[in-house]
Amino acid sequence: AQRVTQPEKLLSVFKGAPVELKCNYSYSGSPELFWYVQYSRQRLQLLLRHISRESIKGFTADLNKGETSFHLKKPFAQEEDSAMYYCALTGRGSTLGRLYFGRGTQLTVWP
Amino acid sequence: DAGITQSPRYKITETGRQVTLMCHQTWSHSYMFWYRQDLGHGLRLIYYSAAADITDKGEVPDGYVVSRSKTENFPLTLESATRSQTSVYFCASLQGYNEQFFGPGTRLTVL
Repeated sequence: AQRVTQPEKLLSVFKGAPVELKCNYSYSGSPELFWYVQYSRQRLQLLLRHISRESIKGFTADLNKGETSFHLKKPFAQEEDSAMYYCALTGRGSTLGRLYFGRGTQLTVWP
Repeated sequence: DAGITQSPRYKITETGRQVTLMCHQTWSHSYMFWYRQDLGHGLRLIYYSAAADITDKGEVPDGYVVSRSKTENFPLTLESATRSQTSVYFCASLQGYNEQFFGPGTRLTVL
């Protein structure tokens, strides 16, 4: 069965410090992994996906199939990064677009 | 305005009452989804729809009913609201390849 685990409910760092939000998954097939972000009073939005191999707002995430992880990283956190972050998974061949979300990590970046 | 909208944005109701949450999208996306967001649980899929008149259960469908007579609308009905259905509800549509675009959410309180 598919499962997404985000071990940290809360994460706090100071501005300029590196930040890593952890995500582990289990899926029997070929997964596609995403990070979604929800800023205060805003709707949930896609931050990045592993197949794009892109950096968005300074964030990167690498899919590690051996460790079944998809950690989100940023070398220098900014105050505007404070938000709720969700890791999500979909499986190739599963219902198109159906996402399985982790429980989320609330990131706070202190000035 | 183009996009995905939800109404009402806030709703307070009483146990046992029927409540309908509306979702409207202007893109004519085929796939639409309903999630509930709860602290400690992240986002959980309630129902989804692949097209007009095609709907299927998600992870937590009990107590909910959906319909999709038109592509652009995907209402979610709580037939007899319970306190455990107090939550924030998000509607989403599938944009592109596996990217979901979310509505602003409806905060529902069941007294």
